[in-house]
Amino acid sequence: QKEVEQNSGPLSVPEGAIASLNCTYSDRVSQSFFWYRQYSGKSPELIMSIYSNGDKEDGRFTAQLNKASQYVSLLIRDSQPSDSATYLCAVSSGGSNYKLTFGKGTLLTVNP
Amino acid sequence: DARVTQTPRHKVTEMGQEVTMRCQPILGHNTVFWYRQTMMQGLELLAYFRNRAPLDDSGMPKDRFSAEMPDATLATLKIQPSEPRDSAVYFCASGLAQGPYEQYFGPGTRLTVT
Repeated sequence: QKEVEQNSGPLSVPEGAIASLNCTYSDRVSQSFFWYRQYSGKSPELIMSIYSNGDKEDGRFTAQLNKASQYVSLLIRDSQPSDSATYLCAVSSGGSNYKLTFGKGTLLTVNP
Repeated sequence: DARVTQTPRHKVTEMGQEVTMRCQPILGHNTVFWYRQTMMQGLELLAYFRNRAPLDDSGMPKDRFSAEMPDATLATLKIQPSEPRDSAVYFCASGLAQGPYEQYFGPGTRLTVT
């Protein structure tokens, strides 16, 4: 049974701070890793994907992957109230089978 | 603006009735996924198709759920008969069966079975 674990939160940070969201996964052969943002009552929106160990930056977002530790994280710099949402970590073994296994998400609240 | 579309957006029905949900994947995407989201279980994969052929429907209750892809622009998920425990948000997502293997979600169908 492939598992993806996230702290459910809520994670509360002040506006302008760095929010750090973490995710661990159980399947060692996982190759593709994704972060989705989901606002209340809306659908998941893909915000970051990462495939290799290390950091990947896109604007205020940085995804970090450590396959040896089976750990992936998302940093949000200069957090804004509009970043308040649930962040879902998703993992796939990649290749021809790219079913995603989702964590249950971390609720982030950015306080003005 | 390429998006996945889903209809209906909301559905309220009585137990025992048939429910059909429809999805139009992003043009050119050859893989379509059906997910169900509940507070308790989170996002669960029900079934997925590649080039219209079902690849995996192991997440779907076989006795009452069925998924089809009559053509490249339409995927359907049917529940017959529906039960109150089927109440959830059903999402369709589409993607390409090649790197970077990203999936893009539709707006979802919120199903309430009374």
